[in-house]
Amino acid sequence: GQQLNQSPQSMFIQEGEDVSMNCTSSSIFNTWLWYKQDPGEGPVLLIALYKAGELTSNGRLTAQFGITRKDSFLNISASIPSDVGIYFCAGHLNTNAGKSTFGDGTTLTVKP
Amino acid sequence: SQTIHQWPATLVQPVGSPLSLECTVEGTSNPNLYWYRQAAGRGLQLLFYSVGIGQISSEVPQNLSASRPQDRQFILSSKKLLLSDSGFYLCARGVGQGPYGYTFGSGTRLTVV
Repeated sequence: GQQLNQSPQSMFIQEGEDVSMNCTSSSIFNTWLWYKQDPGEGPVLLIALYKAGELTSNGRLTAQFGITRKDSFLNISASIPSDVGIYFCAGHLNTNAGKSTFGDGTTLTVKP
Repeated sequence: SQTIHQWPATLVQPVGSPLSLECTVEGTSNPNLYWYRQAAGRGLQLLFYSVGIGQISSEVPQNLSASRPQDRQFILSSKKLLLSDSGFYLCARGVGQGPYGYTFGSGTRLTVV
């Protein structure tokens, strides 16, 4: 089946720094999605990308759908302590009964 | 509202005991529903999905089963739990009918002892 490689696995940064994480796949997707999971909770959708090359922002978050449709990145600017959590990328094919394939996540720690 | 209700929040069960986790969803009818499992420090593994009442598709061979007796009810079951069934179980519904992502429930932490 399809697999997503998400990197880095973990990040330790100072408050105020910018963060970048990415996701790559050996096959194409029609949609890329980014989620954030707080401890003990279910993931929450942050950004959805539907077109190759699309760049979308949500507050301090910016994500891009790669031109090849096989990758995506997420940037967080001016990190704050509440950005702590696990960030997941997910790829989706329109013909797949709504199923998404998830990366293994990037664990973000922000030091005040 | 696209709220998902999942219970219990935590569960400790002995090996060989049965399991029933329930998920109910609010909002638009005929949602796509999913059960995912998350092992510690790992991503989400799709276990089952359902596109309608009584319609269940299994993604991986395992000790678990799923049922959808009502439009907004999705149940995950096992007759005899194994140690390897421990994990964080998440129910999700598709947002709309297209690839718009999921709304997840708050999860059930299952520990098999």
